[in-house]
Amino acid sequence: AQKVTQAQTEISVVEKEDVTLDCVYETRDTTYYLFWYKQPPSGELVFLIRRNSFDEQNEISGRYSWNFQKSTSSFNFTITASQVVDSAVYFCALSDPGLGGSTLGRLYFGRGTQLTVWP
Amino acid sequence: KAGVTQTPRYLIKTRGQQVTLSCSPISGHRSVSWYQQTPGQGLQFLFEYFSETQRNKGNFPGRFSGRQFSNSRSEMNVSTLELGDSALYLCASSLRGALNSPLHFGNGTRLTVT
Repeated sequence: AQKVTQAQTEISVVEKEDVTLDCVYETRDTTYYLFWYKQPPSGELVFLIRRNSFDEQNEISGRYSWNFQKSTSSFNFTITASQVVDSAVYFCALSDPGLGGSTLGRLYFGRGTQLTVWP
Repeated sequence: KAGVTQTPRYLIKTRGQQVTLSCSPISGHRSVSWYQQTPGQGLQFLFEYFSETQRNKGNFPGRFSGRQFSNSRSEMNVSTLELGDSALYLCASSLRGALNSPLHFGNGTRLTVT
């Protein structure tokens, strides 16, 4: 069965600190996609990244970077030099075809990590 | 390009009533999916529509239903509301579902059942 675990419920850091959000996933499929979303207090889920299971290259986008390791089924997210505006709940999610072999996919979300960045 | 639009933003209903939520996807997106977010259960998948057909359904009772129109706009309906239906309902659109493209979410409709 598909499962996404974000073991860190809450993290607090001071501005300019680096912070890593952990994500561990379970799936039986060899083809799957991993996502990170940010949910600020306003409620909408903001898409950050989508990575397929065949691409293990780490990715960097500005202050954000992602480390994908299939060997440990992890897809961790690091924010470098954190800012107050980074305060939000961050969700990791998985999509795979599942038992029905769906060609569309659905998202399985972790429980989220509340990140608070203090000035 | 306009994002995903959900209406209304807030709703207050009483037990036993029914409610209809609306979602307008990003222009050109043909897949619309719905998620329920509660503090206790987190984000849970309700259903997904593509080209007016329901393609996938989560583990929710039959009181939860939806539909998609020819212009890709979608509605979800909850009948005989229960207190436990209080939640943030999020709609997401994509070109062809999460396996093929990113899902982009709307601001959500916050439903309170009293």
